[in-house]
Amino acid sequence: DAGVTQSPTHLIKTRGQQVTLRCSPISGHKSVSWYQQVLGQGPQFIFQYYEKEERGRGNFPDRFSARQFPNYSSELNVNALLLGDSALYLCASKRTGESYEQYFGPGTRLTVT
Amino acid sequence: EDQVTQSPEALRLQEGESSSLNCSYTVSGLRGLFWYRQDPGKGPEFLFTLYSAGEEKEKERLKATLTKKESFLHITAPKPEDSATYLCAVQAADSGYALNFGKGTSLLVTP
Repeated sequence: DAGVTQSPTHLIKTRGQQVTLRCSPISGHKSVSWYQQVLGQGPQFIFQYYEKEERGRGNFPDRFSARQFPNYSSELNVNALLLGDSALYLCASKRTGESYEQYFGPGTRLTVT
Repeated sequence: EDQVTQSPEALRLQEGESSSLNCSYTVSGLRGLFWYRQDPGKGPEFLFTLYSAGEEKEKERLKATLTKKESFLHITAPKPEDSATYLCAVQAADSGYALNFGKGTSLLVTP
């Protein structure tokens, strides 16, 4: 089975611009979460979506938003980019039910100049 | 506030030299503790989930254990291909499904 996929792989943007990152979960997984990983740090939780509804939000500004589509894929949007938004953005999917493991995609490397 | 602290930050081992990585945590109601492996520039790869104190899980040269305050990832007779960053994360019972990660331990195994 295919794992979590993310696009694009790399992205370079200028301060003040907007960016959209995409994620497709593992087939059959209905929950998607987004994480930001700055170099040298562990991933930080941004959002969790389940059945197209936001179920959790981390400590990130309103410039960050996300949504989940009927096919369970997801988009993360970041407006008014800052240099500090440069990071690896990770998407993780989770099977429904009592299993709590999250499986991560390869990430999108965002560079803001 | 939930906290996860991993030590050491970096570890260099010779091939075959066994060691342990530590993950100390404070969380209000642990749902699960997770270990991941991350290669440079890639997403974390799931290794283990531990749910309660005393639980142990094994996979090849890796063994994870859990107490009420910390978890250990034991690496037996490591090989160069075990070189990676190992991340520990906790999930609190009241956090939805958010994972709270430590900063990781960077492991280098030399031939």
